Amino acid sequence: DQQVKQNSPSLSVQEGRISILNCDYTNSMFDYFLWYKKYPAEGPTFLISISSIKDKNEDGRFTVFLNKSAKHLSLHIVPSQPGDSAVYFCAASPLGSARQLTFGSGTQLTVLP
Amino acid sequence: GAVVSQHPSWVICKSGTSVKIECRSLDFQATTMFWYRQFPKQSLMLMATSNEGSKATYEQGVEKDKFLINHASLTLSTLTVTSAHPEDSSFYICSARPPGLAGGHEQFFGPGTRLTVL
Repeated sequence: DQQVKQNSPSLSVQEGRISILNCDYTNSMFDYFLWYKKYPAEGPTFLISISSIKDKNEDGRFTVFLNKSAKHLSLHIVPSQPGDSAVYFCAASPLGSARQLTFGSGTQLTVLP
Repeated sequence: GAVVSQHPSWVICKSGTSVKIECRSLDFQATTMFWYRQFPKQSLMLMATSNEGSKATYEQGVEKDKFLINHASLTLSTLTVTSAHPEDSSFYICSARPPGLAGGHEQFFGPGTRLTVL
């Protein structure tokens, strides 16, 4: 059973426009959410995170929104740039000391010049 | 800061041999490291949590006798794939969590190791 779901395997966006990547989760024990960016044959790179006590966190062109009641989060990239083309993974971490990450299946973002 | 390295970056081996992959935290000490594997176009699947000075905690379905993990120091964890078979071919990625960083949720990942078993 997938506890973190990214239902869109791919997304194409024109350069300069907004990219919106979505993620849903089912485990109510998750209290921290992260977005990672990954290029082929490389490890994921941390982008931005949000605690469950917040509903928005912004860092430059990246904003993450969290809707706890809907168990849904999204990553907005504005403006999108060709260098943003990569696979984006949503991850969630539960309460407790282990704080292991559960990853979604990823969304391939392609920003077209 | 928070740099994690892995070695080797890729390895090809014959079926039945063992392969060791190293994961190092370069600029911080990590009491906990994590090992993941990723199949093509799939998500990262947690294999085990490596704890410095104690036994690793394996996820359900991961054979601990096949995937040996040693976390001998605060900056080094190793994953040994014993008696590797072609189905073990995958991309193996480690991560480490710097202590005291934003509540300790963020993990920083190594560049990964591509293992191909012939």
